[in-house]
Amino acid sequence: DQQVKQNSPSLSVQEGRISILNCDYTNSMFDYFLWYKKYPAEGPTFLISISSIKDKNEDGRFTVFLNKSAKHLSLHIVPSQPGDSAVYFCAASLTGANSKLTFGKGITLSVRP
Amino acid sequence: DVKVTQSSRYLVKRTGEKVFLECVQDMDHENMFWYRQDPGLGLRLIYFSYDVKMKEKGDIPEGYSVSREKKERFSLILESASTNQTSMYLCASSFSGGGPKNIQYFGAGTRLSVL
Repeated sequence: DQQVKQNSPSLSVQEGRISILNCDYTNSMFDYFLWYKKYPAEGPTFLISISSIKDKNEDGRFTVFLNKSAKHLSLHIVPSQPGDSAVYFCAASLTGANSKLTFGKGITLSVRP
Repeated sequence: DVKVTQSSRYLVKRTGEKVFLECVQDMDHENMFWYRQDPGLGLRLIYFSYDVKMKEKGDIPEGYSVSREKKERFSLILESASTNQTSMYLCASSFSGGGPKNIQYFGAGTRLSVL
């Protein structure tokens, strides 16, 4: 049973436009959510996170929105740049679960120049 | 900066060989993790450790074992490598506790090919 779902395997956007990456989860006990970015042949790097007590967190061009009632979060990248082209993983955790993260399968973002 | 170092970037092994993948972290993190990444399957947890000499199975432990003799080092062992273990292996570490402490920091990965 996949508890964190990234239903779209890929997304292509024009440079300068907004990229919106979506993530859904099923476990209402998750209390912390994270986004990771991964380039080919490299390890994932932490991008941004949000606690379940918030509905928005912003860091430069990256904003994560959380809708707990819909069990949905999204990552907005504005403006998108070609260097943002990568695989983006959504992850969730719950306090007390030995700090394990539950990952989605990832979305491949391509930003066209 | 957190540093998680994996001993090899690329490895080529033969079927049946015993394979050791080593991971070292320098942030005094309690938790360490081993994942494999395969196209279309995302990151799948193999094993994790929340303390020295402690380990727990993840989602896909079959064919693997682990060792954590020191806090900073976590080893993944393929007892008898098989072709279906060809994959990208990723090590990560984190603090214990909830919220931001759950942020895991990853190594650069080891691309293992089993022929």
